[in-house]
Amino acid sequence: QPVLTQSSSASASLGSSVKLTCTLTSGHNTFIIAWYQQQPGKAPRYLMKLEGSGNYNKGSGVPDRFSGSSSGADRYLTISNLQSEDEADYYCETWDSNTHVLFGGGTRLTVL
Amino acid sequence: QLQLQESGPGLVKPSETLSLRCSVSGDSISSGTYYWGWIRQPPGKGLEWIGNIYHSGSTYYNPSLKSRVTMSVDTSKNQFSLKLNSVTAADTAVYYCARRALLGGHYFDYWGQGTLVTVSS
Repeated sequence: QPVLTQSSSASASLGSSVKLTCTLTSGHNTFIIAWYQQQPGKAPRYLMKLEGSGNYNKGSGVPDRFSGSSSGADRYLTISNLQSEDEADYYCETWDSNTHVLFGGGTRLTVL
Repeated sequence: QLQLQESGPGLVKPSETLSLRCSVSGDSISSGTYYWGWIRQPPGKGLEWIGNIYHSGSTYYNPSLKSRVTMSVDTSKNQFSLKLNSVTAADTAVYYCARRALLGGHYFDYWGQGTLVTVSS
């Protein structure tokens, strides 16, 4: 079954861009993943689903500043023009052939 | 607008059973294109999937919790439930219910606000 690996932390300056990475284990390059944002003290929020081709579909109300891309086993979430409210934990997620759900460990993003 | 609301005891004693309910409004739980799921998050830690249920009653559980988990659905009340037995302090977490979309990929598109369950005597 796939495993999702995320860096534990990232930081970027207000108004800049940041690219967060979620890496699938070898052999799972075609897997679709989902990205979620969890602001402090809140429930996770669905951001987008992201295919291995790099095609992505965002959830309702997700700002244009959020985009996705892919390269091999890597799935990326790029946030442009960083705002203070983007400071949050970001999780990627996928599922296996048994429809079991797997989450990455999450990346804590700090906006400087 | 779809809304999910978790309810249940906030304190459970060790070795007892944790029971939670998720009430769904704004959509029918009998919709054929969604699973309904439970996810938990221990304090200061990441997300852990517990299980999904379909409106027919078909269930899919996290293998690491499968021996202790039971999920059920009540379509007449538009609710689904979680039972986790033989709880320990390690089961202390915020428990979320969520809707899992199935078309064009699987993802949890709507989440409840979460409810903190503490396991302590």
